[in-house]
Amino acid sequence: DAKTTQPNSMESNEEEPVHLPCNHSTISGTDYIHWYRQLPSQGPEYVIHGLTSNVNNRMASLAIAEDRKSSTLILHRATLRDAAVYYCILRDVYETSGSRLTFGEGTQLTVNP
Amino acid sequence: GAGVSQTPSNKVTEKGKYVELRCDPISGHTALYWYRQSLGQGPEFLIYFQGTGAADDSGLPNDRFFAVRPEGSVSTLKIQRTERGDSAVYLCASSLGRGLFNNEQFFGPGTRLTVL
Repeated sequence: DAKTTQPNSMESNEEEPVHLPCNHSTISGTDYIHWYRQLPSQGPEYVIHGLTSNVNNRMASLAIAEDRKSSTLILHRATLRDAAVYYCILRDVYETSGSRLTFGEGTQLTVNP
Repeated sequence: GAGVSQTPSNKVTEKGKYVELRCDPISGHTALYWYRQSLGQGPEFLIYFQGTGAADDSGLPNDRFFAVRPEGSVSTLKIQRTERGDSAVYLCASSLGRGLFNNEQFFGPGTRLTVL
């Protein structure tokens, strides 16, 4: 499986934008880039996913490098509720193994008031 | 609407005992997943059901672990002869299916298993 690399931790101030990076240099052509986050004492929740083009939804934006070897999750205005562990995950949904989510250790985001 | 629910929320057992953990997926979701999460780690895949059948059980660590989903809805994860190393949060997730556009996984709150 292609692997992802994320910083262990990042800090932000409330109301400011946050850019969470992810490297995936061995990504294959059919791997989708997914982001999940896990708030304290909760199960993970879906944030966003994309293949090649940048994506926006109500939670965040996903910027994907042209060569697809890296991506950035963008929270436009961080709130205290955004403090969580953020996971960048590759999924090849054409493979049975792509049905699973392979979590790394993620990035612990701290949001300061 | 109702999300994924898991019972019990906490389970304390003694080494060597048998435990069952239950997952109620979102109604209509054909895919169901079990993961476990140790402290400070990301969740680790255990097994994936599509309908009633286990489509991928390659994550089960050994034959003490078994899961069923007899009617394609509720699933039970069964652990025999529990060991202290089995202590973790067991997470269940469900999704509409395997398709490209309907495979967002919805997670339950987890069952915290402690083996003494």
